[in-house]
Order: sequence, then C-alpha cells, then structure tokens
Amino acid sequence: LAKTTQPISMDSYEGQEVNITCSHNNIATNDYITWYQQFPSQGPRFIIQGYKTKVTNEVASLFIPADRKSSTLSLPRVSLSDTAVYYCLVVGGQTGANNLFFGTGTRLTVIP
Amino acid sequence: GAVVSQHPSRVICKSGTSVKIECRSLDFQATTMFWYRQFPKKSLMLMATSNEGSKATYEQGVEKDKFLINHASLTLSTLTVTSAHPEDSSFYICSARDPGNSPLHFGNGTRLTVT
Repeated sequence: LAKTTQPISMDSYEGQEVNITCSHNNIATNDYITWYQQFPSQGPRFIIQGYKTKVTNEVASLFIPADRKSSTLSLPRVSLSDTAVYYCLVVGGQTGANNLFFGTGTRLTVIP
Repeated sequence: GAVVSQHPSRVICKSGTSVKIECRSLDFQATTMFWYRQFPKKSLMLMATSNEGSKATYEQGVEKDKFLINHASLTLSTLTVTSAHPEDSSFYICSARDPGNSPLHFGNGTRLTVT
C-alpha cells in the first residue's frame, strides 16, 4: 500500500504561498495523487489530482517529481478561509480505487 | 462535476436503536462506494467498501453485523448502524468515484450522536 506521510501541522500568514509536501514512497505505476481539503464537520473536498510533473487549476498547483515518490500541494496567497486540514491520497487508476487509506493530514492555520 | 450526496447530515438516536445513513451518487453510476468514520481531530478511517449487487468488504476490526451495508443500486449505498451505543457516536462519511481516472468524491458526512 502506498502509505502517505505529511507534516502534522503548518502555520502561515495571510497572503503567503503555502507548500505542503506528501511522501508516498510505495506509489504504484497506475496510481494517481489526489489532494483534499476538509473543514470541521464536512466531508473532504477535492482540490487537485495529478499523475506526474505539474498540474494547475484555479485554486492550487500540484508538483510531482519524476520518481513520483512525493508530491507538493501549492496554495498561492492563502487567506483565513484556507485554514483547514489537507490530505493527500494515492488512488489506483482505472483498474480500481484501491489504496483509500488516509494519512494524518496537515492542519494548516492561516494567521492574520 | 461528480457529486455525492449523503443524508441525513446529523442524527441523534437513543441507545439500542438503529440508524440508516444514505449515500447517493447524483450524476454518475458507482459500482463501488466507500464508508469512512472520523473521530474529532483525527483522520478518516476506512470502514468498508460497498459493492453493488454483492457483499460489502469490511476493514479489519469493523463489525459487519454492527455496520450493515447495502448497495442495491448503482447510485445508492446505505450504512445502518444497528443497536447503536454511545461509542458509535462519530462522523460518518461516504465516497464514490466516477469510473475511469476521476477523483474520489465525498459526501458531506453524517454526525451521529447516540444518547
């Protein structure tokens, strides 16, 4: 199983860029890397998904090195409303959604 | 985009009663859905995989007779907490995935309180 490891917590000031790195040393060839945001008493919300190199959408960027053993979620210019827990999840490709075990997540606190 | 709906969002029940939680995929068919449990300030813990038309697969330590899962159609899975006890109080979250390489989407969770 591609177990994931993330920092337990991070603090950042408003307006700064935040980078959260996740290690997944045992990632398989068909696995994708997905990041989620979770607020208290809500289900995780999809942020971004990638397979390799760089993916960018309207809220974040995801950087994946060539060996795919880690990934970095980049949140540009965070605001107070970005305070949440962020999880990376390694999910199997078309053959099935295996590896659905969440790690600890990273609790991001944005400070005014 | 793909959306997963979960109902109810919160429920309070008395010890010994049973509670059913529904999970629906709104715009796609899901042959597989997943049920998680989350305690305060903890990560999500996978309880079981719900398979349409067949038995659910439970993770180690999860009592299948306690947490009954039914996946009778391609858009609906239900989790029934039977003979609930206060220690079953938790946040239950379901998820499903549109076939292919699309991401896993989650419901908004159900806060169960057993008194």
